[in-house]
Amino acid sequence: NAGVTQTPKFQVLKTGQSMTLQCAQDMNHEYMSWYRQDPGMGLRLIHYSVGAGITDQGEVPNGYNVSRSTTEDFPLRLLSAAPSQTSVYFCASSTPKGTDTQYFGPGTRLTVL
Amino acid sequence: GNSVTQMEGPVTLSEEAFLTINCTYTATGYPSLFWYVQYPGEGLQLLLKATKADDKGSNKGFEATYRKETTSFHLEKGSVQVSDSAVYFCALPEAAGNKLTFGGGTRVLVKP
Repeated sequence: NAGVTQTPKFQVLKTGQSMTLQCAQDMNHEYMSWYRQDPGMGLRLIHYSVGAGITDQGEVPNGYNVSRSTTEDFPLRLLSAAPSQTSVYFCASSTPKGTDTQYFGPGTRLTVL
Repeated sequence: GNSVTQMEGPVTLSEEAFLTINCTYTATGYPSLFWYVQYPGEGLQLLLKATKADDKGSNKGFEATYRKETTSFHLEKGSVQVSDSAVYFCALPEAAGNKLTFGGGTRVLVKP
């Protein structure tokens, strides 16, 4: 049981480049989400999904796209990277219940030059 | 919407000292409350939670009590160790579903 996995662990991009951050979970969780972590600002929700084929925006969605074709996978796409997207990105999964724990991946540290 | 306020760090302590991290929140109704911990270089993991008012969550010597009167969920540990050095986040979910709102995080450094 690997839990939540994320790839890559580190990435450096140039402004304007695109890339996809991968996230997968093997716990059959319906709910998956992407957060970004910036110094002093905690974690902010980018996008989330309540099941395959269903996604929605979080607090800071601009510049990011997501899709959910399977229960297991929830990739995050940066369409045209900007220095403001330099951050640590975490994927999380859980059941949809607000009383249940969210399980986080190890994170992807992204630098945009 | 929901909001979470927690004390800013860093908090620097000596081993065996008492630790308190304050957390207050605003929310509709009485949501579950969570403390997550992030050890250096790792993702977040659940430390403890409380699902209703007056509940006490506990784990690894840490405790927090859900106090609806003061809308608080302060984290405490009686005797910290160097291994408790981490960033601690208070969080709560939306009324429907599991979208979490996080506090800004409190970095704790325990020195030998």
